[in-house]
Amino acid sequence: AQKVTQAQTEISVVEKEDVTLDCVYETRDTTYYLFWYKQPPSGELVFLIRRNSFDEQNEISGRYSWNFQKSTSSFNFTITASQVVDSAVYFCALSDLSGNTGKLIFGQGTTLQVKP
Amino acid sequence: NAGVTQTPKFQVLKTGQSMTLQCAQDMNHEYMSWYRQDPGMGLRLIHYSVGAGITDQGEVPNGYNVSRSTTEDFPLRLLSAAPSQTSVYFCASSYGVRGRGEKLFFGSGTQLSVL
Repeated sequence: AQKVTQAQTEISVVEKEDVTLDCVYETRDTTYYLFWYKQPPSGELVFLIRRNSFDEQNEISGRYSWNFQKSTSSFNFTITASQVVDSAVYFCALSDLSGNTGKLIFGQGTTLQVKP
Repeated sequence: NAGVTQTPKFQVLKTGQSMTLQCAQDMNHEYMSWYRQDPGMGLRLIHYSVGAGITDQGEVPNGYNVSRSTTEDFPLRLLSAAPSQTSVYFCASSYGVRGRGEKLFFGSGTQLSVL
């Protein structure tokens, strides 16, 4: 069955430190998509990135970078030079493409606290 | 740019009461869904719809009903509220074909407490 595991429940860092959020997934599909969402203290869910299973290139967007490795079924998220505004809950998710309708399967979430 | 609009933002119910969480989107998305968020469990799919008149169950459908009479609206009904339904509820929509692999646009959430 499809599954997403975010083993880190909570991470606390001091501002300007780099931090990596881990995501490990399980799927039988050969084609799938992976996502990261951010949930700041205000509660809304903000889309960060979507990657498909055929594109293993790492991606960088400003201070954010993502490392997708099919060999280890991981899709890790790194924040460089963290800032207080990065404090949030981060969710990794996997699209379930089995059947005729897609569904997103979420990990448990990692709470990141960035202290000044 | 309204996107996905959920109401109410907060609600307190007594056990046994019923209520409807409203969700509307103005992006002409065919796919809509309801998730609940509980501590340590991430988001879990309750029900979803791939178009007007078509709904199906997700991972945790018990105690909830949905209907989709229009493309825009996808209300979630709690038939007889139970304390186990205390949660934060999110409505989401997607422009993808039947929601396959496309990103979800989320509403701002409804925090529900059942006493």
